[in-house]
Amino acid sequence: DAGVIQSPRHEVTEMGQEVTLRCKPISGHNSLFWYRQTMMRGLELLIYFNNNVPIDDSGMPEDRFSAKMPNASFSTLKIQPSEPRDSAVYFCASSSTGTVGNTIYFGEGSWLTVV
Amino acid sequence: AQSVTQLDSQVPVFEEAPVELRCNYSSSVSVYLFWYVQYPNQGLQLLLKYLSGSTLVESINGFEAEFNKSQTSFHLRKPSVHISDTAEYFCAVHSSGGSYIPTFGRGTSLIVHP
Repeated sequence: DAGVIQSPRHEVTEMGQEVTLRCKPISGHNSLFWYRQTMMRGLELLIYFNNNVPIDDSGMPEDRFSAKMPNASFSTLKIQPSEPRDSAVYFCASSSTGTVGNTIYFGEGSWLTVV
Repeated sequence: AQSVTQLDSQVPVFEEAPVELRCNYSSSVSVYLFWYVQYPNQGLQLLLKYLSGSTLVESINGFEAEFNKSQTSFHLRKPSVHISDTAEYFCAVHSSGGSYIPTFGRGTSLIVHP
């Protein structure tokens, strides 16, 4: 089975540009997470969707960040405008919350550099 | 509320030596506990998890972790490490009956030297 698929794997962009990160969760999973990982702050949960509905977006750093999940097989994380401090690895993850002690399955990450 | 503390940010060790990565948690309800591993330039993947039953759980590559309720710990151990075990290890807790959002620790970098 295909795992969580993220694109792009690497992105270098200039400050002020819009960045869109994409994610395809594992088929059948009803929960989707966006995480950000940096050396300074570790792994941070940005937003959590359940059945395509945003449940907890308290981790979204500011209004420049937005996330959507238009259907069960696709989600985007958008940064507009981007800033150098947004440079990080962004992970999408999915799980099936109908199972006890559900495992989170991570994608390989989108490595973002804002110059 | 739940929280996870990984006491060591970095653990250097020589190949074939034993290792223990420490994890303590706090939660007001029953918990499920996880260890995830992140190899260089990859996403996190599940190493092992404790849901119920035997307090000692094992992974397929020789790691084991023991759930200790009285000490609220879930330390990860391996009796003999390999170079290929070099990775970042994350402890995570998920409270039963509540939110499906797990809480991750800050991670412990295991560095295995030849």
